[in-house]
Amino acid sequence: GENVEQHPSTLSVQEGDSAVIKCTYSDSASNYFPWYKQELGKRPQLIIDIRSNVGEKKDQRIAVTLNKTAKHFSLHITETQPEDSAVYFCAASRAGGTSYGKLTFGQGTILTVHP
Amino acid sequence: GAGVSQSPSNKVTEKGKDVELRCDPISGHTALYWYRQSLGQGLEFLIYFQGNSAPDKSGLPSDRFSAERTGGSVSTLTIQRTQQEDSAVYLCASSLRWGGGDTQYFGPGTRLTVL
Repeated sequence: GENVEQHPSTLSVQEGDSAVIKCTYSDSASNYFPWYKQELGKRPQLIIDIRSNVGEKKDQRIAVTLNKTAKHFSLHITETQPEDSAVYFCAASRAGGTSYGKLTFGQGTILTVHP
Repeated sequence: GAGVSQSPSNKVTEKGKDVELRCDPISGHTALYWYRQSLGQGLEFLIYFQGNSAPDKSGLPSDRFSAERTGGSVSTLTIQRTQQEDSAVYLCASSLRWGGGDTQYFGPGTRLTVL
């Protein structure tokens, strides 16, 4: 089955700096890669996703890049703000086929943005 | 509109008791997923529903775990003879279409504590 590794496990940055979180996956058939943000005691919420037919996607201060050959994808947050502090999870799944879209998650990255 | 809801929000039970956890997906969403999040860990897939059928039960950790979905809507996850290692937050998610690639919207979770 799919295995997703996420690094780093913790990340501390100063407000205004950039933050990068990286994930690798094992199943070459995976084609959908969402990123979720989970604030303390709250539910995970999708912040951005990317499909395997594109290499990069951007939404304001957040961008995701995908390298299918190397089987890794990354989340980039620019101009970080204290409200970006949360746990970020990457995930991978096959859209279509017998996986039915179940998400395999990385272990999470605790991002702390210091004012 | 209303998001995914789960009940109860917290459940404390004694070892050996049975528990039922409920999930109300977003109206009209055909796919429903259960995940488990242990303290400081990522999310672990448990089971997937496509309508009322569960074609993928591969994540259920033991035969003490079962789930059903009725009317293509509400789902119940049942854990029989609970053990301390069952303590975790149980999250439900739904998506508009089955097959993967659609955003999965998460509920707030049920925090289960087995004493």
